Amino acid sequence: DAGVTQSPTHLIKTRGQQVTLRCSPKSGHDTVSWYQQALGQGPQFIFQYYEEEERQRGNFPDRFSGHQFPNYSSELNVNALLLGDSALYLCASSLGRQARYEQYFGPGTRLTVT
Amino acid sequence: ILNVEQSPQSLHVQEGDSTNFTCSFPSSNFYALHWYRWETAKSPEALFVMTLNGDEKKKGRISATLNTKEGYSYLYIKGSQPEDSATYLCAFTTDSWGKLQFGAGTQVVVTP
Repeated sequence: DAGVTQSPTHLIKTRGQQVTLRCSPKSGHDTVSWYQQALGQGPQFIFQYYEEEERQRGNFPDRFSGHQFPNYSSELNVNALLLGDSALYLCASSLGRQARYEQYFGPGTRLTVT
Repeated sequence: ILNVEQSPQSLHVQEGDSTNFTCSFPSSNFYALHWYRWETAKSPEALFVMTLNGDEKKKGRISATLNTKEGYSYLYIKGSQPEDSATYLCAFTTDSWGKLQFGAGTQVVVTP
């Protein structure tokens, strides 16, 4: 059983460009959450998708958007990239409304904006 | 406490020694506390999810306690081994959907 997978592993973009990151959840999981980890900080919650809709959102601008597909996989899109968007982006999968159980994380996508 | 805080930021432990570190979180609107171990170049791995005041959980040489009234959790590593070297993250959630608020982590380095 494959765990959570993310692609690509690394990405280098130029300021102002747009980027799309992808996540496939653990088999059987229906909820995907995205987190941003900047250097020296803990992961920050971006948003969560369930049943193809954004369920919750953290304190991130509208430049950050997402999508969930019928097979529960998800994309994170960032428009008009800023240097400050350079970070590790983590995807986590879980079962909806089951915060008493662990979330499963992917290895992350390292985004560098130059 | 308004955010999740972990201390110390890092610690160095001799192989065989035991150690512990702290996670502090807001005591209001508590739903669950998660502990994760994160080794370099790997995915964060869930250790424990704790929900009840007074909870104690154990996994091998690692254990954790929870005090929701005062807003803290301790993680203990008994007889540290080099493979315990990792960053240990705690995360707090106020609802059943599991929007996790993470601390910055405690980096543990175990030297032989």
